[in-house]
Amino acid sequence: NAGVMQNPRHLVRRRGQEARLRCSPMKGHSHVYWYRQLPEEGLKFMVYLQKENIIDESGMPKERFSAEFPKEGPSILRIQQVVRGDSAAYFCASSPGLKEAQYFGPGTRLLVL
Amino acid sequence: GENVEQHPSTLSVQEGDSAVIKCTYSDSASNYFPWYKQELGKRPQLIIDIRSNVGEKKDQRIAVTLNKTAKHFSLHITETQPEDSAVYFCAASINNDMRFGAGTRLTVKP
Repeated sequence: NAGVMQNPRHLVRRRGQEARLRCSPMKGHSHVYWYRQLPEEGLKFMVYLQKENIIDESGMPKERFSAEFPKEGPSILRIQQVVRGDSAAYFCASSPGLKEAQYFGPGTRLLVL
Repeated sequence: GENVEQHPSTLSVQEGDSAVIKCTYSDSASNYFPWYKQELGKRPQLIIDIRSNVGEKKDQRIAVTLNKTAKHFSLHITETQPEDSAVYFCAASINNDMRFGAGTRLTVKP
């Protein structure tokens, strides 16, 4: 039973480019969460999705950031026109239901040059 | 303000001693409280969790206590070992999702 998968593990982008981060939840999990973590800091909630629905995006910047979790395929966090301040580790977590244990993926480390 | 506050931010103990990390939360409706351990460069890993219908839960050297009235919960690690060194995050269910504390960097000196 594979855990939460994320790819790529490392992503380098130049300012102004787009970054697409993918997350495949654990089998049987329909709830996906995205978090951002800056070096030496905590996990900042960005967005919570269920299949085809965004449940809570209160932690996600309204501009340049978007997330989806289509009926088929992984959840995608998309950052348009990246800036240096977007450099961080982005973790995805999944859970089988609301207020259940969340299991984290290995993260995608985004570096914006 | 923060929904979950965590203290201390750093904690250094001698091998074999106990370590205690405390968190407070603001939403009285929160009913699920997990703890995560994150080693350098790795993903957060769930180590123990507690629901609001119990006051204490123990798993070998790790225990968590919950005081619903005071809205705080704590992680206790006994007989600490160098491999316990990591950043520990508490979390509390808030509305539809989870909010994390800022983390505690635990260092266990051999």
